[in-house]
Parts: sequence; C-alpha cells; structure tokens
Amino acid sequence: SQQGEEDPQALSIQEGENATMNCSYKTSINNLQWYRQNSGRGLVHLILIRSNEREKHSGRLRVTLDTSKKSSSLLITASRAADTASYFCATPTGANNLFFGTGTRLTVIP
Amino acid sequence: EPEVTQTPSHQVTQMGQEVILRCVPISNHLYFYWYRQILGQKVEFLVSFYNNEISEKSEIFDDQFSVERPDGSNFTLKIRSTKLEDSAMYFCASGRDGGGETQYFGPGTRLLVL
Repeated sequence: SQQGEEDPQALSIQEGENATMNCSYKTSINNLQWYRQNSGRGLVHLILIRSNEREKHSGRLRVTLDTSKKSSSLLITASRAADTASYFCATPTGANNLFFGTGTRLTVIP
Repeated sequence: EPEVTQTPSHQVTQMGQEVILRCVPISNHLYFYWYRQILGQKVEFLVSFYNNEISEKSEIFDDQFSVERPDGSNFTLKIRSTKLEDSAMYFCASGRDGGGETQYFGPGTRLLVL
C-alpha cells in the first residue's frame, strides 16, 4: 500500500530561515501533492508535482521529486510566522483517492 | 474564489445516534470525497463519489456509513449509529478531475461522540 511518511515530525525555525520537509513513499505514483493544514482547519492544496518532473516552484515554495528514491522534499524559503502549520504530502492511491502522510508540524518563531 | 463549505462546523452527539454531515462542493467539480482525521493522527480516506455512485471506499467506510448527493449541490455523509471511535474531524473534498488529481478540501466538521 502507499505510505507517505514525512520527516521531521516537527520543525521549529526562526522567521526568515528556510524550512525543509521530506516525504517518502513506497509504490509508483503519477503525482505527489503537498497540503498545508492550519491547526484545527481544513487542508489547503499547495502544489502538485508529476512523476516526470524533478522540481517545481510556486512563490516561496520549492518541491523536488526523486522517483528513484521514492522521495520528495518541500522547501519554504524566507519563512514567516504565518507559515506555522502542519504540512502533508499526499499520493494518489486506488482509483481516485489520496493517501496522506503523517505530516510535519512547522513552527516559525517571530 | 469558489470553495468547499461544510456544515455544521461542530457536532456533539450521543453514542448510537445518527448524524448527517453536509457539504457543498465546488460547483463545476465532478468528484467528491469524505476523509476523516482523528485528533493527532493522519488524514484517512473514507469514500469517493462520482456520477451519483460510490467509486471507491476504504475499510473504515462500513455499513454504518452512507453518502448521498440529494440534489445538484449538496453531498452528505451519514453515520447511522455513532460510536465513540467515530469522534474525529470529517473533511469533504471535491475535484474537477479524478485519478488522484488535486482535491479541494472544506474546513471540516468536528464530530464528538459522547
């Protein structure tokens, strides 16, 4: 079965620093997605990277995908206090649904 | 910007009672989903719905659960006889495309079963 596991489980940085989160998965995928969840709120889609892409940017976000290692990373540059949230990777599984990882809880200290 | 909405935001119920959680997906989306997240745990898939029928469901989605799209806008999740372990945050999501493409999530309904 698909398994998305993020590391670290928790990350605490100072505002302005970069934050890097990693995700590993087990089986072949056609895309990998990153979502953000503010405490007690819904999931917000951040970025989708396809299996034939190695890197993708969106604003201060940079995502990489290494299909040979079955891993992805999410880099948030110049972090802000508002970036404090949990970040999840998600991979398609079955016909339509997404399998979510365990998440990285990011705290950005002002 | 269109968004998925869910009601109620919070629901407290007694064990054994029926609950209905409501969702209004984004209007031009064709694929609809329910997920749940037990406090402190990962988001888990429950069911997907397309073309007025269930397209996929997880082991969690047993006979106590059902989904319905009663009209052109609402998408509901019913839990027939709630158990303590049903306490969780329930998220509705919708997507324009299936096949594991981007899904747009609602803010969730926090269900507490006493």
